[in-house]
Amino acid sequence: AQSVTQPDIHITVSEGASLELRCNYSYGATPYLFWYVQSPGQGLQLLLKYFSGDTLVQGIKGFEAEFKRSQSSFNLRKPSVHWSDAAEYFCAVGAGNTDKLIFGTGTRLQVFP
Amino acid sequence: KAGVTQTPRYLIKTRGQQVTLSCSPISGHRSVSWYQQTPGQGLQFLFEYFSETQRNKGNFPGRFSGRQFSNSRSEMNVSTLELGDSALYLCASSFDSPNQPQHFGDGTRLSIL
Repeated sequence: AQSVTQPDIHITVSEGASLELRCNYSYGATPYLFWYVQSPGQGLQLLLKYFSGDTLVQGIKGFEAEFKRSQSSFNLRKPSVHWSDAAEYFCAVGAGNTDKLIFGTGTRLQVFP
Repeated sequence: KAGVTQTPRYLIKTRGQQVTLSCSPISGHRSVSWYQQTPGQGLQFLFEYFSETQRNKGNFPGRFSGRQFSNSRSEMNVSTLELGDSALYLCASSFDSPNQPQHFGDGTRLSIL
C-alpha cells in the first residue's frame, strides 16, 4: 500500500523568499502524485499533479514540483513567496486506476512581511 | 460550473446521536470520496463511491457509513457519535477515479458535545 510523509509540520518564510516543501512517498511502482492547498475555512484546491512524463511539473499560482524516483520525493517549490500563499499544503499519493488517494499530514506555511 | 456543495456547513451534536452529511458533486463527476480532517491526524480517507457502489474503504469503524444516489449525490452517516468524531468532514468529487484531480467542498464542521 502507498504512504506519504511530509516531514515539516510548520514552515515560516519571509515574503519574497524562496520556498520548498518536502514530500516523500512509499510505493512500489510509479505513483500518481498531487499537491493540494487549503486556506482557512475552505476545502482543498489542486496545485499540480504528476502522472508520468516530464518530472518537473508546473502548477497554478507559480508553484512547481519535481518527481525524483531515486529519492522517492515530490517536493513543492516556489521561487518567491507572496503573503497570500500562507495556507496548509498537502501532498497526496495514489496507486493509479481506481485506488484511493492517501494524503500527508500537511505543512502549514506562514509568511512574514 | 457549480462546485462541490456540502451541507450543512456546521453541526453540533451530543454523544450517542447520529448524523447525516450531504455532498453534491460537480455535474458529470461520478466518483465521490469522503475524508475526515482533524488537527492531529490530517486527512484520513473514509470511503469512495462510484456509480452507487462503495469502491474503496478506509480504516474507520462500522459506525461510519455512506451511500451514493443515481445522480451521484452522496451522503455519509455517523451513528452513536463519540467525542473523537469532532472533525471537519470533506467531500471531493472527480470524473471517475480518486486518482484524477479531485474537487473539494468546503466541508462540514461537526462538533460533538
